[in-house]
Amino acid sequence: SQQGEEDPQALSIQEGENATMNCSYKTSINNLQWYRQNSGRGLVHLILIRSNEREKHSGRLRVTLDTSKKSSSLLITASRAADTASYFCATDAQGAQKLVFGQGTRLTINP
Amino acid sequence: DGGITQSPKYLFRKEGQNVTLSCEQNLNHDAMYWYRQDPGQGLRLIYYSQIVNDFQKGDIAEGYSVSREKKESFPLTVTSAQKNPTAFYLCASTEGLYGYTFGSGTRLTVV
Repeated sequence: SQQGEEDPQALSIQEGENATMNCSYKTSINNLQWYRQNSGRGLVHLILIRSNEREKHSGRLRVTLDTSKKSSSLLITASRAADTASYFCATDAQGAQKLVFGQGTRLTINP
Repeated sequence: DGGITQSPKYLFRKEGQNVTLSCEQNLNHDAMYWYRQDPGQGLRLIYYSQIVNDFQKGDIAEGYSVSREKKESFPLTVTSAQKNPTAFYLCASTEGLYGYTFGSGTRLTVV
């Protein structure tokens, strides 16, 4: 079962621009996490936001969470070619002991 | 350095053959997970284990089996009952439901 749905499925921007990806989910959660995956590699944890938080920053990353709309967004500022990757949101449904991942957004940064 | 090691990186399976994918972690994490990823798709949970000698089925457990005899190891066997095993397999671990640490994956191909 896919809990999270990312939007858009693919995004292509110029280097230096900001990239925004969105994630929607269906059930109440404890926290929401974002991961990055370079082609053919494992996933790397980027940031975790708890259900009682509304915004969180980490370097060039900014994550927001709106539990009333069951949605989250990931903003990457001042994008670089090295940011080219797929980005996934993941949620843990309350009472569950596992993360459920969305389909991902494929981000391409053009030099 | 602490981390998760998956082996082999590439694996080829003949029709009707069982194969085992290795996952070893030295992070002292209690929980371990196996996910399957198909091209351009998100991750789907196969099996997970919260503690030694105990594991639970995920969303797509049919045709797969696991064991958890040691805290460090969580091997996945793809049996002949799995009719479409060609995919990228990812192992992960975590301490509590925080950021997951992923291995670099095993790409399984049926020949």
